Amino acid sequence: DIQMTQSPSTLSASVGARVTITCRANQSIAGWVAWYQQKPGKAPKLLIYRASRLHSGVPSRFSGSGSGTEFTLTINSLQPDDFATYYCQQYNSYSYTFGQGTKLDIK
Amino acid sequence: EVQLVDSGGVVVRPGGSLRLSCAASGFTFDDYGMAWVRQVPGKGLEWVSSINWSGDNTDYAESVKGRFTISRDNAKNALYLQMNSLRAEDTALYHCARAGDSSGYPNYYFDSWGQGTLVTVSS
Repeated sequence: DIQMTQSPSTLSASVGARVTITCRANQSIAGWVAWYQQKPGKAPKLLIYRASRLHSGVPSRFSGSGSGTEFTLTINSLQPDDFATYYCQQYNSYSYTFGQGTKLDIK
Repeated sequence: EVQLVDSGGVVVRPGGSLRLSCAASGFTFDDYGMAWVRQVPGKGLEWVSSINWSGDNTDYAESVKGRFTISRDNAKNALYLQMNSLRAEDTALYHCARAGDSSGYPNYYFDSWGQGTLVTVSS
């Protein structure tokens, strides 16, 4: 199975800050990575797919990059609504795997 | 509006069986692959199983292979997960999820999720 190592596991930041979350795969997965946001008691929401493509309706302060084995999610100018847990997912082939999650909280 | 409504989660004894359902609306169901993803409360996400639009292709996580069966009824806009030989470690919130618009089997990401149905395996 492809393992996705996500870091950091927790992140504290202030409103207006820029943050970056990283996922590393243990083998090349081209650009087959998606990013999700999840708030307590809610279902995950898709943010980014194919490593860098913004899902419809997602604010442009979210962006994704990377290919091969290293991928990043960047959030520019953090808004109060952005404090949540973020997950990466590889979908290079079935047996999809998610990163362990990054909890983003207010500093 | 895309809607996925999960149901069927209950408390069940180890070794028992259960069938989860997901009612889909707001989109052409048989245009999309579907999946089940589970989450232990307070923990991360784990893909369980997926199925392509026609039901011809199904895949399973190793942890459930041979015990769970995914199926769909395109006439009823419904997705199912038959769960047999349940174990304590199957306890989780089970979400159905729709493969994204740009997904092609087997490269599925998920653009819509149900709220989940809680399965508790306990004696």
